[in-house]
Amino acid sequence: DVKVTQSSRYLVKRTGEKVFLECVQDMDHENMFWYRQDPGLGLRLIYFSYDVKMKEKGDIPEGYSVSREKKERFSLILESASTNQTSMYLCASIPGVGEISQPQHFGDGTRLSIL
Amino acid sequence: AQSVSQHNHHVILSEAASLELGCNYSYGGTVNLFWYVQYPGQHLQLLLKYFSGDPLVKGIKGFEAEFIKSKFSFNLRKPSVQWSDTAEYFCAVTSMEYGNKLVFGAGTILRVKS
Repeated sequence: DVKVTQSSRYLVKRTGEKVFLECVQDMDHENMFWYRQDPGLGLRLIYFSYDVKMKEKGDIPEGYSVSREKKERFSLILESASTNQTSMYLCASIPGVGEISQPQHFGDGTRLSIL
Repeated sequence: AQSVSQHNHHVILSEAASLELGCNYSYGGTVNLFWYVQYPGQHLQLLLKYFSGDPLVKGIKGFEAEFIKSKFSFNLRKPSVQWSDTAEYFCAVTSMEYGNKLVFGAGTILRVKS
């Protein structure tokens, strides 16, 4: 079974801090995604990556960046955290390009609070 | 851009009642459709999916969904809900033209009263 592991379940940071959220998958999937989940808004795509060192902006990339140095790891970076980035962050992965009929596998999420 | 609309944000039902959650999407081309469920404190998991063939799709735990292309709809149904179905349900769509990106609806929170 696919395992998507997010490094923290809960995280509290201060405004202006640089924040790193880590995600690791163990099934050699090429595509990885970062979403944020907010009540009444569902999941919104921040960034995704279809290969090592490749990244594409999603629907709400402002204030975020990503890093994919290894296939199994996809990091989300909040360059200078702000209170409006308080949210639940979800990482997901699917197999190779074109596998759009395959379901995404999600991590447990990181609930991030910015004070 | 694609969008997904879920008709109700909160639904409250008694056990044994029938359930139908509405989902409409905007894209007119070939689509793949999913329903995900998130039980309290758990990660999102796939309930069912449609990508071709029979438009009536059966998923886990007695759920089913019907793809009606002419109505751009993919409604989720269950004949008799249980207390354990209390969860948040998300409809999502993707298409080859939109790449591998999943577009999610806002979610429907279902509470089943025992």
